[in-house]
Order: sequence, then C-alpha cells, then structure tokens
Amino acid sequence: AQSVSQHNHHVILSEAASLELGCNYSYGGTVNLFWYVQYPGQHLQLLLKYFSGDPLVKGIKGFEAEFIKSKFSFNLRKPSVQWSDTAEYFCAVSRPGGSYIPTFGRGTSLIVHP
Amino acid sequence: EAGVVQSPRYKIIEKKQPVAFWCNPISGHNTLYWYLQNLGQGPELLIRYENEEAVDDSQLPKDRFSAERLKGVDSTLKIQPAELGDSAVYLCASSYQGGNEQFFGPGTRLTVL
Repeated sequence: AQSVSQHNHHVILSEAASLELGCNYSYGGTVNLFWYVQYPGQHLQLLLKYFSGDPLVKGIKGFEAEFIKSKFSFNLRKPSVQWSDTAEYFCAVSRPGGSYIPTFGRGTSLIVHP
Repeated sequence: EAGVVQSPRYKIIEKKQPVAFWCNPISGHNTLYWYLQNLGQGPELLIRYENEEAVDDSQLPKDRFSAERLKGVDSTLKIQPAELGDSAVYLCASSYQGGNEQFFGPGTRLTVL
C-alpha cells in the first residue's frame, strides 16, 4: 500500500517569503500526485495535480509542484506567499487505473503573517 | 455548478446515540466517497460507491457504521451507537466515473460527548 509523508506539520511565514512544502510517497510504481488546499472554514479543493508529462506542474494561485521520480517527491512551491495562502495543505497519491482512490498525507498547516 | 452538499455541518451527540450524515454529490457524478478526517490527519476512505453499489468498504467499521446510496444519487452514512473516538470530520466527495479528480463537500464535524 502506498503512504504519503509530509514532513512539515506547521509552517509560519511572513508575506512575500518563499514557500516549499515537502511531500514524499512510498509507492514504487506509476502514480498520480495531488496537492489539495483547505482554507479556514472551507472545503478541500484541488490545488494542482500530476498524471504524466512535464514534471513541473503549475496550479492555481501561483503554486507549482515538481515531481522528482528518483526521490519519490512532489514538493509544493510558491515564490511569494500572501496572507490569503493561510490554509491546510494536503499531498495525496493514487495509482492510475482502478479506483483512483488517493492516499493523503497528514497535512501541513501554513500560517502567513501580514 | 453546485458543489457537493453535506448536512448537517456540525453535530454534537452523547455517546451511544445514533447519528446520520447526508451527502448530495455533484449532478452527474456517479462515484461517491465517504472519508473520515481526524484532527491533524489527512482524510481516510471509509467507503466508495459506484452508482448504488458499494465497491470499496474495507475500511468501514461495519459493527457500528453503515452507509447507503439509494437510487445512486444521495448517500447517508450512519453510526449506531456512536463512541467517543468517532469525533472527527466526515467528508463526502464525488467524481465522474471514478475519475482522477474528486470534489469534496464541506464536511460534517461530529463531536461525541
């Protein structure tokens, strides 16, 4: 079974700082990778996803993630965070084919100070 | 387009009481998922439906949890009786034909006293 590790459980940044959230997964085969975001009081929503092709994926709100197969990683980045990026971020992995049921990491809580 | 609707948003009950959660998926989405999210953790799948059929319920504690999806649209998740450890957020999600992208509802936050 696949597993997902998010090493940063809590991150606190000032506005305009750069962000990188780590995500590593354990499954050795082909994977689909996701980052979800949950803003305070809102539901989980998809930030970006990788299925195949260019390993550098661009998502909404200036976020991007890079799939590095040799490192089993899919780190999320943003060059300059804003106060409105304060949220919980979840990395998830699923196997192509079948049910596409994602396995989620435990999440990273990001607080951005204005 | 309306999103996934869940109700209630919050529920407080005493242990040993029954509780039910309702989910209405996005129109046209035939795959429906129920997830459990404990505090400080990511969502974990409880059960997945393809239309009316439960196709993946291996993580559902069947001694106290049950779910149904009559007519392949709305779904209800029930706990009877509830235990203290059931306090969590229960998320519903839907997708089109089990596709890669799932759309989540706002969740029901259950507190068992």
